[in-house]
Amino acid sequence: AQTVTQSQPEMSVQEAETVTLSCTYDTSESDYYLFWYKQPPSRQMILVIRQEAYKQQNATENRFSVNFQKAAKSFSLKISDSQLGDAAMYFCAYRSPPRSGYALNFGKGTSLLVTP
Amino acid sequence: DTGVSQDPRHKITKRGQNVTFRCDPISEHNRLYWYRQTLGQGPEFLTYFQNEAQLEKSRLLSDRFSAERPKGSFSTLEIQRTEQGDSAMYLCASSPPPGQGYEQYFGPGTRLTVT
Repeated sequence: AQTVTQSQPEMSVQEAETVTLSCTYDTSESDYYLFWYKQPPSRQMILVIRQEAYKQQNATENRFSVNFQKAAKSFSLKISDSQLGDAAMYFCAYRSPPRSGYALNFGKGTSLLVTP
Repeated sequence: DTGVSQDPRHKITKRGQNVTFRCDPISEHNRLYWYRQTLGQGPEFLTYFQNEAQLEKSRLLSDRFSAERPKGSFSTLEIQRTEQGDSAMYLCASSPPPGQGYEQYFGPGTRLTVT
């Protein structure tokens, strides 16, 4: 079974600064999908960014970008110009290719605190 | 375009009672997923439907749990003879048909408390 590890239970960043959240995963597949989801307190899970494993180019969505290192099985999320609204739990998730299943496997999450 | 909706948002029940939750996916999405999230953890996969067919079930889905999607639209998740360990947030997600995207969009969840 694939495992996703987020080694930082909590992170803190000052407003307007940059923060990087770490994620590593374990898989024997070569074709898969990776995601970062954001879950604000008492609110629903929102997709932040996605990455297809076959793409070498790192995904970017506005202030959010990833550093995808396939050989190292690492998928970190960089948040630039942090805003107070970025405060939330961030979950890294892995999805196998369709032939191997459809489930998302999530890490335990990183709680991000943004200070003024 | 409305998102994924779930009902109820909160449910408190006594141990041994049965509960049923409903999920309405995004209208064009034919794929639907159920997850369970306990405090301090990431969501854990329970089951997956494509249209009305239940194609994948986690071993977390014990015999007391059953999910249906009779007409390929909304889905229900029933828990029979609830136990205190069933207390969790139950999340539903949906995604477009194959070839049209693979992201999963989540609903707000149903928080179950078993007393």
